[in-house]
Amino acid sequence: DTEVTQTPKHLVMGMTNKKSLKCEQHMGHRAMYWYKQKAKKPPELMFVYSYEKLSINESVPSRFSPECPNSSLLNLHLHALQPEDSALYLCASSQEGRGGNTEAFFGQGTRLTVV
Amino acid sequence: GENVEQHPSTLSVQEGDSAVIKCTYSDSASNYFPWYKQELGKGPQLIIDIRSNVGEKKDQRIAVTLNKTAKHFSLHITETQPEDSAVYFCAAPNRDDKIIFGKGTRLHILP
Repeated sequence: DTEVTQTPKHLVMGMTNKKSLKCEQHMGHRAMYWYKQKAKKPPELMFVYSYEKLSINESVPSRFSPECPNSSLLNLHLHALQPEDSALYLCASSQEGRGGNTEAFFGQGTRLTVV
Repeated sequence: GENVEQHPSTLSVQEGDSAVIKCTYSDSASNYFPWYKQELGKGPQLIIDIRSNVGEKKDQRIAVTLNKTAKHFSLHITETQPEDSAVYFCAAPNRDDKIIFGKGTRLHILP
C-alpha cells in the first residue's frame, strides 16, 4: 500500500471559519509533509514532521497550524484564512528525513477555496 | 540555495514520438533526483528517480539520465501515449535535505 489519503477532497470556507485538513498513511513512514500548490506552480513546502516532531516550518503564517497526533496521521488546522490562501494542499510522506533524499509519496490533495 | 531549472515549460509531441524534459541543478552535493507526474486534479506521482551513483535508469517507456559533471538530468518518454499528457516536475535536494522542485513542464500528446 503506497497510498496517502487526504480528506476532504474539496473545502470551501469563510474567512472567519475554523476547519481542518486530514492526512493518513499506513506505509510506516516516519516523515510527513504539508505542501501548498497554486495553479500552474510547483508544490511549496510548508511543514515537515519527523518522528512526530515538527522539524521544519517554512515561515508559514500562524493561521495554519499543523498537528501530528501519531506516526500515521497529520492534520492541518485552518483559522482566519485569507482568499489568497486558496490553493491545493498536498500531504506527503517518506521513510524518514526531510524529503530531499528519499522517495516521497503524495496524496491527492485538498482543493481549498477561501471566500 | 539550491536552484532547479526545468525546460521546456510546455511541450507538444505527436502520439508515438518521444518526449524529453531537461533539468539543471546548482548544488553539486545533490544526490537524489526524482521525477513527478501530476495529472489534472491529482497530487504529484513519483514516476522514476535516480541517485548520483548511476548515470541512467529505465522503467519501460520512461528513462532518466544524469550527468553529474554538467549538473543536469533528463526525463525521456518513448512511444508517447495520450495518458502521458500531464505536468511533469523534476526535483533535487538542497543542503538542508529539502526537496526543491523545478517549475514544471506541461506535456501535451497530440493525436
